[in-house]
Amino acid sequence: AQSVSQHNHHVILSEAASLELGCNYSYGGTVNLFWYVQYPGQHLQLLLKYFSGDPLVKGIKGFEAEFIKSKFSFNLRKPSVQWSDTAEYFCAVQGGSYIPTFGRGTSLIVHP
Amino acid sequence: GAGVSQSPSNKVTEKGKDVELRCDPISGHTALYWYRQSLGQGLEFLIYFQGNSAPDKSGLPSDRFSAERTGGSVSTLTIQRTQQEDSAVYLCAARGASGGAEDTQYFGPGTRLTVL
Repeated sequence: AQSVSQHNHHVILSEAASLELGCNYSYGGTVNLFWYVQYPGQHLQLLLKYFSGDPLVKGIKGFEAEFIKSKFSFNLRKPSVQWSDTAEYFCAVQGGSYIPTFGRGTSLIVHP
Repeated sequence: GAGVSQSPSNKVTEKGKDVELRCDPISGHTALYWYRQSLGQGLEFLIYFQGNSAPDKSGLPSDRFSAERTGGSVSTLTIQRTQQEDSAVYLCAARGASGGAEDTQYFGPGTRLTVL
């Protein structure tokens, strides 16, 4: 069975600070990895995804994530956050089936 | 339409009543998922439809939950004899038209269910 762990449940930053949200997964085979974001009052939407190839994936709004297979990790990063990045962030893993498993989410608050 | 729509957006019901939640996915997206999101929790998978194949019901928490998808499009999630622990946001997602596992899931706005 696959599982996902997001280490940070709540993160509070000031604008221009750097961001790294942790995501570790458990699955023995090939995986597809996702980060989804839910802005206040909006739908969940895809931020970025990894399926194969370059382990450093770039997404929308300056976000990136690095797949480190040896560490079973897919951490999300942004060098300089903005107030508009305030949102809930979800990591998801999909291995061996069409059904992804989502982490519990990280609530990010960015103070202007 | 351009995106996944769900109705109602909010539903308040009394314990023991039945409820129906509706999802209208993106035209041509053959895969459809239902999830449940409780406060402070991640998304809990409920059921998955792919084309004309038998749905994967492995995530349904009890036999009070059921879902159907008519004509490969609109889906209805039914909860019978609702309990207070059923209170959550129910999300529907459609997966891209090519059918590959790597296709992005497009989420609807959700239905917030409150069971009194």
